[in-house]
Amino acid sequence: EADIYQTPRYLVIGTGKKITLECSQTMGHDKMYWYQQDPGMELHLIHYSYGVNSTEKGDLSSESTVSRIRTEHFPLTLESARPSHTSQYLCASRSTGVEQYFGPGTRLTVT
Amino acid sequence: GEDVEQSLFLSVREGDSSVINCTYTDSSSTYLYWYKQEPGAGLQLLTYIFSNMDMKQDQRLTVLLNKKDKHLSLRIADTQTGDSAIYFCAVARAGKLIFGQGTELSVKP
Repeated sequence: EADIYQTPRYLVIGTGKKITLECSQTMGHDKMYWYQQDPGMELHLIHYSYGVNSTEKGDLSSESTVSRIRTEHFPLTLESARPSHTSQYLCASRSTGVEQYFGPGTRLTVT
Repeated sequence: GEDVEQSLFLSVREGDSSVINCTYTDSSSTYLYWYKQEPGAGLQLLTYIFSNMDMKQDQRLTVLLNKKDKHLSLRIADTQTGDSAIYFCAVARAGKLIFGQGTELSVKP
């Protein structure tokens, strides 16, 4: 069982609010990832980090931002939420090995 | 860029074998993965295979890799209702995983 956590699990928020989705892992993994999962199931990589103070944009353009100040923590922030941001957000982490583990996800609804 | 394709739906009867297929385009992919996602949950790593292997078996799961045809499959033996979920294949490329669209497996009693 992977030790990767996401909070909150569900969030309903109004348009224009600032939100931060939390992701933490206790495995000491250097690589961490954020994916956005469409209602049609496909996963898109929106941000990744290969270590502290290293962040990169993924394949899908996103208005969110991320930070990596500590190895175990990789929060995602939306400065001004919009209905188009409604989605499921999945965090994942990987060490130098092969296995990539996912958190349980945050289901975000912007009204 | 990498393209990973899966059929969207598969329906089987309990006790039958399920075979979920995946094709990909980049022959330099080093590792190929199968993940399972149950409703409302994250992705659970089921198994993975290194690109120089043809087959890997782990209890009820068998992964077959045909590198020439860039085809990956996951066979689930004696499929149970608890196996109903969405199954994603993914290929590793440049430190990132590229996912297929997912195959929804429905197991009927």
